[in-house]
Amino acid sequence: QSALTQPASVSGSLGQSITISCTGTSSDVGGYNYVSWYQQHPGKAPKLLVYDVNKWPSGVSNRFSGSKSGNTASLTISGLQADDEADYFCSSYAGSDTFIFGGGTQLTVL
Amino acid sequence: QVQLQESGPGLVKSSGSLSLTCAVSDYAIVSGCFWGWVRQPPGRGLEWIGTIYQDGSRYYNPSLKSRVTTSVDRSKNQFSLRLSFVTPADTAVYYCAKTMTAAGGHLGTFDYWGQGALVTVSS
Repeated sequence: QSALTQPASVSGSLGQSITISCTGTSSDVGGYNYVSWYQQHPGKAPKLLVYDVNKWPSGVSNRFSGSKSGNTASLTISGLQADDEADYFCSSYAGSDTFIFGGGTQLTVL
Repeated sequence: QVQLQESGPGLVKSSGSLSLTCAVSDYAIVSGCFWGWVRQPPGRGLEWIGTIYQDGSRYYNPSLKSRVTTSVDRSKNQFSLRLSFVTPADTAVYYCAKTMTAAGGHLGTFDYWGQGALVTVSS
């Protein structure tokens, strides 16, 4: 099992939209609709933003949206806010009762 | 609001065992979801360690499976992690977490997390 591939960093200006990719294989991202995204601020626990590719947990802003095409999942953040500056991690069910995370992406809001 | 709190030694010697307990509040551990462990080495990404169900069914990361043991204590509403034969590479913040549902595909989809416990393995 190798970690899902995410860009190390992305940046965007206040109010803009950005997209973070998460690339896996047909054995994980491409094979199941169990992709999730988490936001993590420094020193804090991760927060679930999106699950099952494109669903929102209660209380999460719809500025965060998920999608998937083939073996690549994506998280789009619209209307960037200063507080969106954080690390973002994807995760996916990987079959055989196992789970896998991405390496993480650091978002800088300019 | 579900609350989770990790507890255990913050310093462990190499070749020894790491043991952590996660106390769950305001949610019955037998209420039909999974309970899991995730770790994060300093400055690095998240790694799924394993997940356990109330009936004791266990699911582990293949890379850690030979060293990991998890358990559930329904009477105390808590669950535990034991990682054996630790090395400095096991130094990390260890999080306990609750999954969204008991669906198999959600055994790593965590909607509530503990604050994390830093465990340092000394050489």
